[in-house]
Amino acid sequence: KQEVTQIPAALSVPEGENLVLNCSFTDSAIYNLQWFRQDPGKGLTSLLLIQSSQREQTSGRLNASLDKSSGRSTLYIAASQPGDSATYLCASHSGNTPLVFGKGTRLSVIA
Amino acid sequence: GAVVSQHPSWVICKSGTSVKIECRSLDFQATTMFWYRQFPKQSLMLMATSNEGSKATYEQGVEKDKFLINHASLTLSTLTVTSAHPEDSSFYICSARDPMGTTYEQYFGPGTRLTVT
Repeated sequence: KQEVTQIPAALSVPEGENLVLNCSFTDSAIYNLQWFRQDPGKGLTSLLLIQSSQREQTSGRLNASLDKSSGRSTLYIAASQPGDSATYLCASHSGNTPLVFGKGTRLSVIA
Repeated sequence: GAVVSQHPSWVICKSGTSVKIECRSLDFQATTMFWYRQFPKQSLMLMATSNEGSKATYEQGVEKDKFLINHASLTLSTLTVTSAHPEDSSFYICSARDPMGTTYEQYFGPGTRLTVT
């Protein structure tokens, strides 16, 4: 059964800093790896989806990479801003199975 | 991208009553929908997979008689929390997958916050 782990659980950085969030998964036979953002009390916002055949995806200041062989994905946030403060969740699935989520990283960007 | 809606966005009910939450795929037909539950400061936990026209598949530890799921059409799945108790208070999020899509991406509703008093 797929297990997804995210490190660190919480992170606090000063504004402007570049940062990396880590995600690992136990079953490398994934179909997609997806990163989400969740603001307190709100639903999920999809940030990036990486298909198993891809190595990375970029959107603005966000870059997500995927290494299936090692069971790892990273989310890189460049030039962090206070508005980036949220919980970031990674999730994976294998084909038609439902997404399995990590516990998330709570990010605080201090102005 | 595809849009999934949920109704209501929040609900407060008394202990012992039942609450129904609706999940709709607005611009695509979803043969499969998923229901997740999220407790404060925790991640999303899958409760069940809802298949149109057939019985839902529940995850281990989820009581199927307490959390009734009906997926009667290709655009609507409902979750009914029966005889709700305070420990059922949580954030419930549904998700749907577009079977015509090529990436198996799941689209999420905005969630329903249930508070049982």
